[in-house]
Amino acid sequence: AQSVTQLDSQVPVFEEAPVELRCNYSSSVSVYLFWYVQYPNQGLQLLLKYLSGSTLVKGINGFEAEFNKSQTSFHLRKPSVHISDTAEYFCAVTPLGSYIPTFGRGTSLIVHP
Amino acid sequence: IAGITQAPTSQILAAGRRMTLRCTQDMRHNAMYWYRQDLGLGLRLIHYSNTAGTTGKGEVPDGYSVSRANTDDFPLTLASAVPSQTSVYFCASSEQAGVPYNEQFFGPGTRLTVL
Repeated sequence: AQSVTQLDSQVPVFEEAPVELRCNYSSSVSVYLFWYVQYPNQGLQLLLKYLSGSTLVKGINGFEAEFNKSQTSFHLRKPSVHISDTAEYFCAVTPLGSYIPTFGRGTSLIVHP
Repeated sequence: IAGITQAPTSQILAAGRRMTLRCTQDMRHNAMYWYRQDLGLGLRLIHYSNTAGTTGKGEVPDGYSVSRANTDDFPLTLASAVPSQTSVYFCASSEQAGVPYNEQFFGPGTRLTVL
């Protein structure tokens, strides 16, 4: 079985500052990795995903994530956040052989002016 | 393109009542899912369907049932609601079952309160 740990339940940051949201996973097989964003009172939408190839993945809205196999991590980063980035962010993994993802518990990014 | 629609948007329900949450997608996706979202617990899978006519149990299926009569619709029924089923419910879909790299598409959610 696989598991996903999002190490921070809440990350407060000032506008235009950089941010990193951490995600670690455990799995006995190879995995596909995803980050989803949930804006207030909305459903989740895909930010980016890692399938194979380059370990640095670029997504929408200036976000990027880096897959680190040795550390089993897939941290999400943005060099300069905006107020509009305030949202809940979910890391998810789908192991090879399955198609149903396991979601982390989410990290609430709060961007202050 | 609507994507996934859910109804109702929100509902307050007396304990013991029966309730069906509706979910419809117009993307012709094969796989559909129901999740509940609770503070501090993230998303937990209730039931899923690989294709029309088949359903499966997720992590927290007790007290819920689903059906998949056709590709587009995937209703979730609470036969006799209890307060612990107070939650936000999300329906999702993905293009194909059995493909681990497919992303999921989510509806806007239904906020259910059971008193």
